[in-house]
Amino acid sequence: GESVGLHLPTLSVQEGDNSIINCAYSNSASDYFIWYKQESGKGPQFIIDIRSNMDKRQGQRVTVLLNKTVKHLSLQIAATQPGDSAVYFCAEVRNSGNTPLVFGKGTRLSVIA
Amino acid sequence: ETGVTQTPRHLVMGMTNKKSLKCEQHLGHNAMYWYKQSAKKPLELMFVYNFKEQTENNSVPSRFSPECPNSSHLFLHLHTLQPEDSALYLCASSPGTGGVRYEQYFGPGTRLTVT
Repeated sequence: GESVGLHLPTLSVQEGDNSIINCAYSNSASDYFIWYKQESGKGPQFIIDIRSNMDKRQGQRVTVLLNKTVKHLSLQIAATQPGDSAVYFCAEVRNSGNTPLVFGKGTRLSVIA
Repeated sequence: ETGVTQTPRHLVMGMTNKKSLKCEQHLGHNAMYWYKQSAKKPLELMFVYNFKEQTENNSVPSRFSPECPNSSHLFLHLHTLQPEDSALYLCASSPGTGGVRYEQYFGPGTRLTVT
């Protein structure tokens, strides 16, 4: 598969359990955040997004929580399945500066069947 | 799958070669991007095009030369690359470049190896 990063934080979860993936961002002016999933051999795929005026957003089996006070995002996956095994990236959208979309380093999620 | 295709999927080239990567999006988006993904760094934005105009160039060496003939096609021309340029090159597109229009759709990438 594709190498998306050495020494990535890794989370191993038993199938059926819930997963929580964390991300810290740096720019308090960022107003939009996105979670991406990257499976081996594929490009990143959009999972869910959240605007800075919200603190929680739910999708199908996924929930994103935003804590602006500590500049922290989390992605919760309910009832984790083998197909959830991938690298997960958070990204922040900045409306200023040269790099409008900044990606975190990623977390590798491994689901144990 | 995502509406963004990239060719070739794999490319091996020598340091004196000239090659081009191609990206095509079928989503009707206005913005297209090139990213570099290597083993030691997070995703690095290289170039941004919005309505065919280049709006960002993130201090990318001149041995990488982008071309955007229309909103659906994006090329990355490569010449005299270095081994450290070996990486996965990802193309993405989005409806626009502001706020929520920033949801980007990625292609599968081109795995480039420079020998």
